[in-house]
Amino acid sequence: DADVTQTPRNRITKTGKRIMLECSQTKGHDRMYWYRQDPGLGLRLIYYSFDVKDINKGEISDGYSVSRQAQAKFSLSLESAIPNQTALYFCATSDLWGSAGELFFGEGSRLTVL
Amino acid sequence: RKEVEQDPGPFNVPEGATVAFNCTYSNSASQSFFWYRQDCRKEPKLLMSVYSSGNEDGRFTAQLNRASQYISLLIRDSKLSDSATYLCVVTMNTGNQFYFGTGTSLTVIP
Repeated sequence: DADVTQTPRNRITKTGKRIMLECSQTKGHDRMYWYRQDPGLGLRLIYYSFDVKDINKGEISDGYSVSRQAQAKFSLSLESAIPNQTALYFCATSDLWGSAGELFFGEGSRLTVL
Repeated sequence: RKEVEQDPGPFNVPEGATVAFNCTYSNSASQSFFWYRQDCRKEPKLLMSVYSSGNEDGRFTAQLNRASQYISLLIRDSKLSDSATYLCVVTMNTGNQFYFGTGTSLTVIP
């Protein structure tokens, strides 16, 4: 089983709908991240969290919100989806005290907003 | 200006060739440097860290030039399985955020 699990893996939705992408991890890491990947733009950070009570905006947080329900769970919400939020979304974890610098990614959630 | 810049390629090389990728970073406070590999429609995975003294892992060699603010990845004796996108990643001294380049696409041709 994957150490970082994302659900759903694929989702097609309509403009204006609320969407939640969920991420859970079994690595025991404190740090969790949400990225989106677009062709030609690379990976861009949306939000990150260093523990359950810590939420930080990343480079492109507008239109998104997150919830860190537990150490192992970090959810990304699109309150009212728009077509330019069509992208591949990755959740990732890292361990401050472990393999410094390594991010462990989930398999990605492909979101299409029509 | 982007924190990390890479030539997107694509690089199309024959099997057995040597290929090199460069990546530049804009912030002199950058502290940690990495190369990640991403296969098509898959998640990125760490290929190797990049140390000031340079480091080698089999056919792969990574080097860091702090004065010129660039890192490089050299792949010798390319294999078909090396075909992927290679992402340059930089963190600042706080280690809070990872900055990704857009990636360099490599296709190794039989």
